[in-house]
Amino acid sequence: QQQVKQSPQSLIVQKGGISIINCAYENTAFDYFPWYQQFPGKGPALLIAIRPDVSEKKEGRFTISFNKSAKQFSLHIMDSQPGDSATYFCAANDSSYKLIFGSGTRLLVRP
Amino acid sequence: EAQVTQNPRYLITVTGKKLTVTCSQNMNHEYMSWYRQDPGLGLRQIYYSMNVEVTDKGDVPEGYKVSRKEKRNFPLILESPSPNQTSLYFCASSLWKGGGKADTQYFGPGTRLTVL
Repeated sequence: QQQVKQSPQSLIVQKGGISIINCAYENTAFDYFPWYQQFPGKGPALLIAIRPDVSEKKEGRFTISFNKSAKQFSLHIMDSQPGDSATYFCAANDSSYKLIFGSGTRLLVRP
Repeated sequence: EAQVTQNPRYLITVTGKKLTVTCSQNMNHEYMSWYRQDPGLGLRQIYYSMNVEVTDKGDVPEGYKVSRKEKRNFPLILESPSPNQTSLYFCASSLWKGGGKADTQYFGPGTRLTVL
């Protein structure tokens, strides 16, 4: 049973385009939603995170949009660059010590 | 340099041969955790530790053991590995103290384990 559903599984975007990755959850107790970025051969690293008291958070070209009523959140990468090619994981936490990850999205940005 | 280190990075073993994957962090973090990463399943938590001598099960603890005798170290033990434990394993640490204030997790470089 996957508590955080992530889509798409893979994504190909042209350089300069917008990459959008979506996640949905069921547990209304989740109150922390981070996104992690993983390059080949490396461990995941925190990219950006949001708490449900705001609907959007932006850091540079990366934006999280959060829809509490729909229980969905998404990552938008503006002006996507080949260096953004990586696997992206959404995650959620419900104030316990557990962090639940989505299944991951492999992003390829073509030059 | 603040980091999480894991050893070994690659390991090929046979069914039933006990092994230990070490994890160490130099950030004085109280929270440490082990995950396994499998294609299409993302990262799944195996065990976590909130502090020295305090550990708890994650979502997929079967076949694994952990111990936390020192703050900086959190080894993962497979007492009788089986082929279904072939995976990419990550250790992580965090300042996270629970209670709704989840914090950034810092991941190690990973250990690729193959059990024949």
